[in-house]
Amino acid sequence: ETGVTQSPTHLIKTRGQQVTLRCSSQSGHNTVSWYQQALGQGPQFIFQYYREEENGRGNFPPRFSGLQFPNYSSELNVNALELDDSALYLCASSPGQGLDEQYFGPGTRLTVT
Amino acid sequence: SQQGEEDPQALSIQEGENATMNCSYKTSINNLQWYRQNSGRGLVHLILIRSNEREKHSGRLRVTLDTSKKSSSLLITASRAADTASYFCATVSYTGRRALTFGSGTRLQVQP
Repeated sequence: ETGVTQSPTHLIKTRGQQVTLRCSSQSGHNTVSWYQQALGQGPQFIFQYYREEENGRGNFPPRFSGLQFPNYSSELNVNALELDDSALYLCASSPGQGLDEQYFGPGTRLTVT
Repeated sequence: SQQGEEDPQALSIQEGENATMNCSYKTSINNLQWYRQNSGRGLVHLILIRSNEREKHSGRLRVTLDTSKKSSSLLITASRAADTASYFCATVSYTGRRALTFGSGTRLQVQP
């Protein structure tokens, strides 16, 4: 197992609500990336943080936002939840800026009803 | 959007047989990586091959890369029931965002 942890493990929210997911990166890693994985699909890149600054963003609307803290842990916030936001949200950390191997957490399963 | 496609989408073999999965991608890459995912859980990195490499081995895994065809293959030899999982290829491009772009995955079932 990697040293990346995510919380919570599972979450059920209602459409229109807001959610915050959390990730603790592996020790020594200064880059955190977030991915969304719909059922039966490959993960899709949401955004990446490097030393507390956003370092790249995928094709996700602004209601997906994030933060990285001085200890390199990170949050993913999603506002105005939609049914299609139901997915597994994966956090990955890496020692560099995402070019090489990334270390994934176990994910947070979000269900929007 | 996905970078490319994996082929086949699903594969069922007997324990001891070899499993081959293929991946195609669309843009120039810095490297290509293979990950494994057990049902609904986090991804585990298996192997990374750089754009100037053609073949790489790690234990029972063999990865090839053909940049002229924009394709890669993952071979798992002497498969075990514990190899049952989904396998994804992911690319990192030379330009643009420094993040993994994943394919759609191959679901491998190894029958004991």
